[in-house]
Amino acid sequence: DAGVIQSPRHEVTEMGQEVTLRCKPISGHDYLFWYRQTMMRGLELLIYFNNNVPIDDSGMPEDRFSAKMPNASFSTLKIQPSEPRDSAVYFCASSFRDSGADTQYFGPGTRLTVL
Amino acid sequence: AQSVAQPEDQVNVAEGNPLTVKCTYSVSGNPYLFWYVQYPNRGLQFLLKYITGDNLVKGSYGFEAEFNKSQTSFHLKKPSALVSDSALYFCAVRDIWGGATNKLIFGTGTLLAVQP
Repeated sequence: DAGVIQSPRHEVTEMGQEVTLRCKPISGHDYLFWYRQTMMRGLELLIYFNNNVPIDDSGMPEDRFSAKMPNASFSTLKIQPSEPRDSAVYFCASSFRDSGADTQYFGPGTRLTVL
Repeated sequence: AQSVAQPEDQVNVAEGNPLTVKCTYSVSGNPYLFWYVQYPNRGLQFLLKYITGDNLVKGSYGFEAEFNKSQTSFHLKKPSALVSDSALYFCAVRDIWGGATNKLIFGTGTLLAVQP
């Protein structure tokens, strides 16, 4: 299994531009999570999906952020317009509901720099 | 609300010595507790979890964690530290509010530095 795949691994963009981050979860997993990690705020859950349906988006910072999961093998996190304070490492993770306590598997992350 | 606390930002230990990374939790009901490790420029990796049963949980890379209900703690331990164990360690608890969920609440992380 290739694990969770994220692309791009690094993204540098200018303020005001649209940024799209991509994630392919582990095959068969029915939960997908988007996190953001910064030195100041640590690891934050932005949104998560179950069976492609958004369950909790309370961590999405503002309307500039949106996430979609059109099918079980693909999700996107979009920032439009981007701002310098969005600079962070964005992680995607997936899990499968097993016996009750569920392990999340993380991708390698996308390091976003907004100039 | 469910929460975990990692009281130490950094733990320093000499190679070969035992290590402990502390975590305390606050939950309603039975806790589902996790430890993850993050190596530089990598995503988080699962180390171990506690659901129920034996209070001593064994995980990857020789790590173990002890669940202590009376002290509401779930400390991560290893008998003999390696330089390669140097990384950022996160404690997490499963959030059960709002019904069945796979949402995890992570601590702030503890940086483990193992000196040769």
